[in-house]
Amino acid sequence: QQQVKQSPQSLIVQKGGISIINCAYENTAFDYFPWYQQFPGKGPALLIAIRPDVSEKKEGRFTISFNKSAKQFSLHIMDSQPGDSATYFCAASLLEGSARQLTFGSGTQLTVLP
Amino acid sequence: NAGVTQTPKFQVLKTGQSMTLQCAQDMNHEYMSWYRQDPGMGLRLIHYSVGAGITDQGEVPNGYNVSRSTTEDFPLRLLSAAPSQTSVYFCASSYSGRGYPYEQYFGPGTRLTVT
Repeated sequence: QQQVKQSPQSLIVQKGGISIINCAYENTAFDYFPWYQQFPGKGPALLIAIRPDVSEKKEGRFTISFNKSAKQFSLHIMDSQPGDSATYFCAASLLEGSARQLTFGSGTQLTVLP
Repeated sequence: NAGVTQTPKFQVLKTGQSMTLQCAQDMNHEYMSWYRQDPGMGLRLIHYSVGAGITDQGEVPNGYNVSRSTTEDFPLRLLSAAPSQTSVYFCASSYSGRGYPYEQYFGPGTRLTVT
């Protein structure tokens, strides 16, 4: 049972272009939606996150758009750079007892061509 | 701070062998967890711990054991390795999840191959 669906699986963008990765979730109890970035041979690292009481969050070239009614959220990377080439995971989170659990999407491998 | 460290980086096992993947963190985090990463499946939670002496199962716990005797260490034991356990394993840690922003810090991973 995949609670967070992510697309596309892979994405190739020219330098300077916009990269868009989409995610959809099923459980309305999720209350925190982070994106993690993973470079080859490394562990994932938090990139940006949003809570469902806002529709958009921007940090530099990275923006999360959030649509609570549609249960969808997306990551936009403006002016994409070759250094952005990595695998991106969306996640959805809820607090279960004393632990906040993360449910990850399947990942998107982004390649930015120079 | 070293953050989250994992050993070994690579391991090859034969079917039926057992081994322990080591994980340590020096950030005094209460929460620690183990994930496995497989192509096209994202990261799936194996086991987690909310403090020393407290562990619980995640989404895919079968074939794995954990224990947490100290705040710093959270080893993952494979009891009898199977080819289906070929994967990249990540350990992560965090403070309790009651505040924002919430971040899990991941180790560099262990790539395990079972033949």
